[in-house]
Amino acid sequence: AQSVAQPEDQVNVAEGNPLTVKCTYSVSGNPYLFWYVQYPNRGLQFLLKYITGDNLVKGSYGFEAEFNKSQTSFHLKKPSALVSDSALYFCAVRDMGGNNRLAFGKGNQVVVIP
Amino acid sequence: GAGVSQSPSNKVTEKGKDVELRCDPISGHTALYWYRQSLGQGLEFLIYFQGNSAPDKSGLPSDRFSAERTGGSVSTLTIQRTQQEDSAVYLCASSSQLSGGGEQYFGPGTRLTVT
Repeated sequence: AQSVAQPEDQVNVAEGNPLTVKCTYSVSGNPYLFWYVQYPNRGLQFLLKYITGDNLVKGSYGFEAEFNKSQTSFHLKKPSALVSDSALYFCAVRDMGGNNRLAFGKGNQVVVIP
Repeated sequence: GAGVSQSPSNKVTEKGKDVELRCDPISGHTALYWYRQSLGQGLEFLIYFQGNSAPDKSGLPSDRFSAERTGGSVSTLTIQRTQQEDSAVYLCASSSQLSGGGEQYFGPGTRLTVT
């Protein structure tokens, strides 16, 4: 079965510093990978996806993610964090078995300190 | 354009009562998903619709849970004889077959509290 792991519970970063949220995946075949962000009392918002092609994927709000096949990772990055980036971040992989459901990691709480 | 909408946004119900949760997907999206988000379990898949049919109901936690979709659009998730462990945020998502990656767009969720 497809799965992703987010090893950290919370990521603290000072405003203006680089932000990294880690994700590793376990799939059979080529992965379809996603990052979503959830603000308090809101639904999940799509940030970016990796399907194929360039390993560096750019998404919304200045976020990007790097697909690394040898390390089976898909870490989310932002060069300069903002206080408004404080939220819950989910990595997900798409089930390729026909229903396209998403399997999510446990989520990472990101706290950007002013 | 309009995103995925869900109603109600909050629902408090007594144990043993039935509840209905509604999802209105993005217009033209053929695929519709229900997920459940709870503190202990994270985000769990419940059911998937393609058009009006539900080829995958494998995530429904018990036979108290059912869902339907009519006209290839609105979906209703019904929980019968609610239990306290049903308390969670129920999220609906839709996606387009035209999108190569199949990214899903989520509604704001319905927060269900069973007392």
